[in-house]
Amino acid sequence: KQEVTQIPAALSVPEGENLVLNCSFTDSAIYNLQWFRQDPGKGLTSLLLIQSSQREQTSGRLNASLDKSSGRSTLYIAASQPGDSATYLCAEETSGSRLTFGEGTQLTVNP
Amino acid sequence: DGGITQSPKYLFRKEGQNVTLSCEQNLNHDAMYWYRQDPGQGLRLIYYSQIVNDFQKGDIAEGYSVSREKKESFPLTVTSAQKNPTAFYLCATTGVGNTGELFFGEGSRLTVL
Repeated sequence: KQEVTQIPAALSVPEGENLVLNCSFTDSAIYNLQWFRQDPGKGLTSLLLIQSSQREQTSGRLNASLDKSSGRSTLYIAASQPGDSATYLCAEETSGSRLTFGEGTQLTVNP
Repeated sequence: DGGITQSPKYLFRKEGQNVTLSCEQNLNHDAMYWYRQDPGQGLRLIYYSQIVNDFQKGDIAEGYSVSREKKESFPLTVTSAQKNPTAFYLCATTGVGNTGELFFGEGSRLTVL
């Protein structure tokens, strides 16, 4: 059974810090890896999607990497802001258009 | 304005009642999904549909039913057979042939009294 694990479960940092969120997956037959943001009581917003043939994707202050051999993905957030406070989830797509989600990392950026 | 609309946003139900959650999309996406999210947990797949008039069970389909009579609509019925229905329900879509990116609605929170 494929599993996705996110560490840490919660993270609190001062504004301006660079930070890294981690995502581990067990199924190496990966199609893509997606990172999402979820604000309290809201749906998920797609941040970055990395295809299995890619190693990283960047969008503004966000950079996501994918290492299939080690079963890891990281989401790097540069110069964090209070508005970045949210829960960040990663999800692995293997086959049949089905995603397996991690439990998320709850990020708090303090002014 | 393109997007995914879920309704109602909040719903209360007495034990033993069925309830239907609506999901409508105008993105012209073929595939639609229903996920359940419990506090502090990731999303779990209930049902998905990749084409009209066809759908498949996800990982936790017991106690739920769906239909896909139109491309734009994928309603989810939470039946009285669902033992623990209180949760946050999320509908999502992705277009066939695209990169696989998922788009989500704003969710429906169901509380069983």
